[in-house]
Amino acid sequence: GQSLEQPSEVTAVEGAIVQINCTYQTSGFYGLSWYQQHDGGAPTFLSYNGLDGLEETGRFSSFLSRSDSYGYLLLQELQMKDSASYFCAVRARAGGSYIPTFGRGTSLIVHP
Amino acid sequence: GAGVSQTPSNKVTEKGKYVELRCDPISGHTALYWYRQSLGQGPEFLIYFQGTGAADDSGLPNDRFFAVRPEGSVSTLKIQRTERGDSAVYLCASSQTGTSGVSSTDTQYFGPGTRLTVL
Repeated sequence: GQSLEQPSEVTAVEGAIVQINCTYQTSGFYGLSWYQQHDGGAPTFLSYNGLDGLEETGRFSSFLSRSDSYGYLLLQELQMKDSASYFCAVRARAGGSYIPTFGRGTSLIVHP
Repeated sequence: GAGVSQTPSNKVTEKGKYVELRCDPISGHTALYWYRQSLGQGPEFLIYFQGTGAADDSGLPNDRFFAVRPEGSVSTLKIQRTERGDSAVYLCASSQTGTSGVSSTDTQYFGPGTRLTVL
């Protein structure tokens, strides 16, 4: 089976930087993705790491260390609209396909 | 262009009834996924289609759940003899190429979901 661990909640102030960690246990690991979901909304794709290192997309960056089974999402210059749930999701090979498994999500609360 | 759409947005049914949930993926996307999301949880994988065929249905919880995608576009998730534990938001997502190792970008586009409530 697969398991992912991420903090249940993180709080920060506007303009700050926050890091959301994700550790995973899986076999057949292929890649790690991050999704954002506002209350009542659909998850939206933020970032993907297939290789070790940092991927940067605007204010968001994501990091992966395959040897440590660890990744994080870094949000810079926080804005109130960044208050949402953030999910890490592992792609792992199961049989002939790569099944996505999502973590339980981290609720980010941004204060003014 | 249009994103992924799902109908109905809300469905209330009684225990034991049959329901169908529909997903219209982004045009041209060959891969389609169904997930179930309970409050405070992440999306839970149910089934994945590549074209018309179910490439992996290992996430379906039991034989009351079934999904089809007859023409490789619209998909319907069918739940028989609904139980109160089936209450959740059912999400559909599509991607251009799927998970057969062809593309590693893993960009799935999610629909708004159908909130199913079983009384």
